[in-house]
Amino acid sequence: EIVMTQSPATLSVSPGERATLSCRASQSVSSNLAWYQQKPGQAPRLLIYGASTRATGIPARFSGSGSGTEFTLTISSLQSEDFAVYYCQQYNNWPTFGQGTKVEIK
Amino acid sequence: EVQLVESGGGLVQPGRSLRLSCAASGFTFDDYAMHWVRQAPGKGLEWVSGISWNSGSIGYADSVKGRFTISRDNAKNSLYLQMNSLRAEDTALYYCAKDLHKYSSSSVGDYWGQGTLVTVSS
Repeated sequence: EIVMTQSPATLSVSPGERATLSCRASQSVSSNLAWYQQKPGQAPRLLIYGASTRATGIPARFSGSGSGTEFTLTISSLQSEDFAVYYCQQYNNWPTFGQGTKVEIK
Repeated sequence: EVQLVESGGGLVQPGRSLRLSCAASGFTFDDYAMHWVRQAPGKGLEWVSGISWNSGSIGYADSVKGRFTISRDNAKNSLYLQMNSLRAEDTALYYCAKDLHKYSSSSVGDYWGQGTLVTVSS
């Protein structure tokens, strides 16, 4: 099983600031990496797939990068609605998720 | 508008069975693979099972292999998860998710239902 490790566990950011979230795979997953956002009481929402392709309707302030084992999700200017938990998921093999990064208001 | 509505969750004793359903609408159901993903209370996400558009390819997490069975009825636009020999560690919110890509099983979920809660306890 490919283990996905996200860092940090919690990120405290002020509105309008940039947030950078990391995700590391225990072995190469090529570009088969997705990012999801989950707010309390809601289902996950797909943000990014293929490591860097924004899903339909996702604002341009969300961007993804990386390949192989190291990936990054960047939120260029945090809006109030962006405070949530973010999960990375590899789908190169049987899909596995990271443990999540909580983005909270500083 | 894509809609996925799960049902069938509830409180069940260890060792018993439960069948979850997911009713899909707003897209051509038989063009897409479908998946079940679960989330234990206060925990992260775990991919449970996936089934291709034509049921020709099916996969399970090791944690449920041999106990859970995924199926679909394309005529009814419905996805199912038969869960047998339930354990306390199966307690979770179970989501139904639609695959992003047509005619393939990328395991990227672009639409998700709101989930149905399964609680396994005596």
